[in-house]
Amino acid sequence: KAGVTQTPRYLIKTRGQQVTLSCSPISGHRSVSWYQQTPGQGLQFLFEYFSETQRNKGNFPGRFSGRQFSNSRSEMNVSTLELGDSALYLCASSLTFISGNTIYFGEGSWLTVV
Amino acid sequence: AQSVTQPDIHITVSEGASLELRCNYSYGATPYLFWYVQSPGQGLQLLLKYFSGDTLVQGIKGFEAEFKRSQSSFNLRKPSVHWSDAAEYFCAVGPNFGNEKLTFGTGTRLTIIP
Repeated sequence: KAGVTQTPRYLIKTRGQQVTLSCSPISGHRSVSWYQQTPGQGLQFLFEYFSETQRNKGNFPGRFSGRQFSNSRSEMNVSTLELGDSALYLCASSLTFISGNTIYFGEGSWLTVV
Repeated sequence: AQSVTQPDIHITVSEGASLELRCNYSYGATPYLFWYVQSPGQGLQLLLKYFSGDTLVQGIKGFEAEFKRSQSSFNLRKPSVHWSDAAEYFCAVGPNFGNEKLTFGTGTRLTIIP
């Protein structure tokens, strides 16, 4: 069974631009969450989607947004990029949002903002 | 709020030696606990998880972890490490019913020497 797939794997953007990252969850998984990983802040929760609805959101500015489609695939968007947005963005999927579900991660999308 | 502490930032062990990575958590109820491993440039791979029941859980790659409620700990162990175990290891707690899906520790980087 295929794992969590994220595209693109690597990208370089310029300050002020926007970026869209894509995530395809494990087949049958309906909950998708996003995390940002940086050397300084570690792994931080961005948001979580289930059945096309955002259920939880972490402490990030409104420039960070996401959505989920009817096939459970998800995208996250960062507008007006800042240098500090350079990070590894990890997508994770689980069967549902119920506590205790195992969460599986993708390989991540490496974003560099110059 | 829930939190996870991994007191060791970096650990070096010899190949074939035993390993123990420490994890302490703070959580208001029975926690769901996870250990993930991240190889350089890769996403997070689930090693093992604790939800309830037997406090000694077995994972992949020969790893095990023991949940000790009295010490609020969930330490990861391996009797004999291999060079391929060199990676960063993250302990995580959650999800809870608040605003975050998983709360991660800051990670422990494991170096293996021949």
